[in-house]
Amino acid sequence: SQQGEEDPQALSIQEGENATMNCSYKTSINNLQWYRQNSGRGLVHLILIRSNEREKHSGRLRVTLDTSKKSSSLLITASRAADTASYFCATDRPNSGYALNFGKGTSLLVTP
Amino acid sequence: SQTIHQWPATLVQPVGSPLSLECTVEGTSNPNLYWYRQAAGRGLQLLFYSVGIGQISSEVPQNLSASRPQDRQFILSSKKLLLSDSGFYLCAWSEGTSNQPQHFGDGTRLSIL
Repeated sequence: SQQGEEDPQALSIQEGENATMNCSYKTSINNLQWYRQNSGRGLVHLILIRSNEREKHSGRLRVTLDTSKKSSSLLITASRAADTASYFCATDRPNSGYALNFGKGTSLLVTP
Repeated sequence: SQTIHQWPATLVQPVGSPLSLECTVEGTSNPNLYWYRQAAGRGLQLLFYSVGIGQISSEVPQNLSASRPQDRQFILSSKKLLLSDSGFYLCAWSEGTSNQPQHFGDGTRLSIL
């Protein structure tokens, strides 16, 4: 079942601009993770934020988590054409071998 | 370092034919293993997961089965493929504890004719 829902479904920006993607989920979580998928490829893990954390940074990525609103956001600063990809949020399922529930993703297009 | 291999990369099969997709992990022991399926423009749907050799949990009843004959080998199978089995199949592994990322293979694009 899909728990996370990303917003917007598609985002088109120019190089140098910031890209913000949002994710909402329904049940309590241990952590929330963000993944990136280039067209026709597997998913690559970007960042994991635990339920007791509010913000986390990794390079040009900034993730926030608001457990009271059951939402998270992924900010990519100073975007590059190489950032063009689909981005997914996911929450883990401790009772299912820590499998992940994924949203439908945000398709990001960064134009030069 | 750990690596995950998944093959084949693409596969075209007729309806009613059998299926075998293989996934192997190197550089780690006793990983949790997962098979997901991704429909076009959609997120990933969990099909099976395994927490140990011979231990398979099915998420959605369907035309597929999975096996884990060795610690780092995970196989997805079908005896008779349906048109609805078309999709992008992804294998992944994790350390099997909380707050750990999953690591994905490059996927298999399966087309049923």
